[in-house]
Amino acid sequence: NAGVMQNPRHLVRRRGQEARLRCSPMKGHSHVYWYRQLPEEGLKFMVYLQKENIIDESGMPKERFSAEFPKEGPSILRIQQVVRGDSAAYFCASSPQGNIQYFGAGTRLSVL
Amino acid sequence: GESVGLHLPTLSVQEGDNSIINCAYSNSASDYFIWYKQESGKGPQFIIDIRSNMDKRQGQRVTVLLNKTVKHLSLQIAATQPGDSAVYFCAENPDFGNEKLTFGTGTRLTIIP
Repeated sequence: NAGVMQNPRHLVRRRGQEARLRCSPMKGHSHVYWYRQLPEEGLKFMVYLQKENIIDESGMPKERFSAEFPKEGPSILRIQQVVRGDSAAYFCASSPQGNIQYFGAGTRLSVL
Repeated sequence: GESVGLHLPTLSVQEGDNSIINCAYSNSASDYFIWYKQESGKGPQFIIDIRSNMDKRQGQRVTVLLNKTVKHLSLQIAATQPGDSAVYFCAENPDFGNEKLTFGTGTRLTIIP
């Protein structure tokens, strides 16, 4: 059973470009979460999704950030018009119904 | 706002000794807690969890203790090994029915050979 798969592992964007981060949950998991981590800090919750539904987006910036988890395919975290402050590691986690969240290896976004 | 915090940011332990990592939480309504281990360049790895109706839970070489009176959580690692070197995070689920986790800052554990 493959774990949570995130790609790309590393993403470099120039200011103003768009970043798309993908997450495939573990098989059988219908709950997906996105977190952001700055160096030497803990993870900060961004958004919680179930298939085709956003359950909680209280941690998402109001502008430029969006997330989806379509019926088919991976969950996507999209950042439009990236700025240097968006540079961070973005982690996706998945869970079956329940609390234990299993994390992917993350996508490290660098904005030049 | 509510937050999860750690007492010590770094901890060095001799290989073979036991280590204790502490965590304070401020949301008395939290009913579920998890410890994660994060190695450099990797995602957090689940270690052990505990619900608020328990005060102790044991796994393989790890024990989590929960003291709800003082809102304190600890992770004990027995007979530490070099592979235990990592950053350890406690996380809480502060909203019953909503599964998002609030993470602490982390403690960096270094095992000295």
